[in-house]
Amino acid sequence: NAGVTQTPKFRILKIGQSMTLQCAQDMNHNYMYWYRQDPGMGLKLIYYSVGAGITDKGEVPNGYNVSRSTTEDFPLRLELAAPSQTSVYFCASRPWGALLAKNIQYFGAGTRLSVL
Amino acid sequence: DAKTTQPPSMDCAEGRAANLPCNHSTISGNEYVYWYRQIHSQGPQYIIHGLKNNETNEMASLIITEDRKSSTLILPHATLRDTAVYYCIVRSNYQLIWGAGTKLIIKP
Repeated sequence: NAGVTQTPKFRILKIGQSMTLQCAQDMNHNYMYWYRQDPGMGLKLIYYSVGAGITDKGEVPNGYNVSRSTTEDFPLRLELAAPSQTSVYFCASRPWGALLAKNIQYFGAGTRLSVL
Repeated sequence: DAKTTQPPSMDCAEGRAANLPCNHSTISGNEYVYWYRQIHSQGPQYIIHGLKNNETNEMASLIITEDRKSSTLILPHATLRDTAVYYCIVRSNYQLIWGAGTKLIIKP
């Protein structure tokens, strides 16, 4: 199993450009998450999904959009890139039906994004 | 905001036990304590979790105080590869609220 795969690994954008960060998991997990991590800080939740067709906002959703058309994929869209979106983005997943006792998330390797 | 408090950094000698403390004084009765670590900009990795009993797995041990207001993650024989940022997290709904963690440096 590949686990959680994120592409690209690195990207430089100009202000105002748009891009999609890709995330795919092959573990048949229902829950998927997008986080951002600024230098020296913990992770902040952007969006999450509890299954195909269902998404919800996290702590810092402004400037981002998501969709979930399949169980496997959960892309994150930046429409008008701003310097404040310079960060490392992590995608994670966890299985459905896991009790609150087993909120174990599996993470991808991250996408490092710079907006200049 | 994160509901946990951790020291920003700690050192430990290679081969010794690393004891990482975490305060979670506002934890409620049904909230679990989770520990993850992040090795130099990689994606976080799950270590262990617990409710009120002490827990042990192949990676670490978790000691939770009887009042559940604090916990300690123990890496029994730290190696250089254990150098990482360690996050103590109290589950909030289905979201994990991440603080800044403890940067653990293992010294040879």
